[in-house]
Amino acid sequence: GEDVEQSLFLSVREGDSSVINCTYTDSSSTYLYWYKQEPGAGLQLLTYIFSNMDMKQDQRLTVLLNKKDKHLSLRIADTQTGDSAIYFCAEKSYNTDKLIFGTGTRLQVFP
Amino acid sequence: DVKVTQSSRYLVKRTGEKVFLECVQDMDHENMFWYRQDPGLGLRLIYFSYDVKMKEKGDIPEGYSVSREKKERFSLILESASTNQTSMYLCASSLRQGAVDEQYFGPGTRLTVT
Repeated sequence: GEDVEQSLFLSVREGDSSVINCTYTDSSSTYLYWYKQEPGAGLQLLTYIFSNMDMKQDQRLTVLLNKKDKHLSLRIADTQTGDSAIYFCAEKSYNTDKLIFGTGTRLQVFP
Repeated sequence: DVKVTQSSRYLVKRTGEKVFLECVQDMDHENMFWYRQDPGLGLRLIYFSYDVKMKEKGDIPEGYSVSREKKERFSLILESASTNQTSMYLCASSLRQGAVDEQYFGPGTRLTVT
């Protein structure tokens, strides 16, 4: 079945860039998403990319998609302490409303 | 703003009890989902519903059932709670085949079964 994998932890210094990586297996993915979960809260959509795109930029966020390697990344420029959270990668296949989520990457930003 | 609410933030139940987790959304979404979140395992889909009285099993439905009598409400039922069902439970909703298919999440219910 479909599988989405992420590393569990990332620690960066405030002001540096963070790069969170994700690999997925479903080649029929239509949308790929990044969700953010702050402590004690549910998930919130951060950004998404359609599967026919290679890159999407939204202020401090850059999403890169390598369809050949089934690799998705999220780059956060000028990382702030408020970016500390768990980041989930998710993919949606064609003709379904279900999302497949990764394990989540806990980002810790230190001063 | 889309709002998804869950009936409890924290719940402690005993082994063998019947447990009801309630979820309500106010945006007239067709799809509703129940996930459980465990460290290192991410979100795993338990059940989802794409219409009133319709339900489909997710990846880990064993030990759970659901009810959707009204469009805005989706209930998760643990018929006989067990300690391995101690977890964070997240409810979500989305438009059916919406443009981006964004799922909107509730704040979660942390269930402890003793």
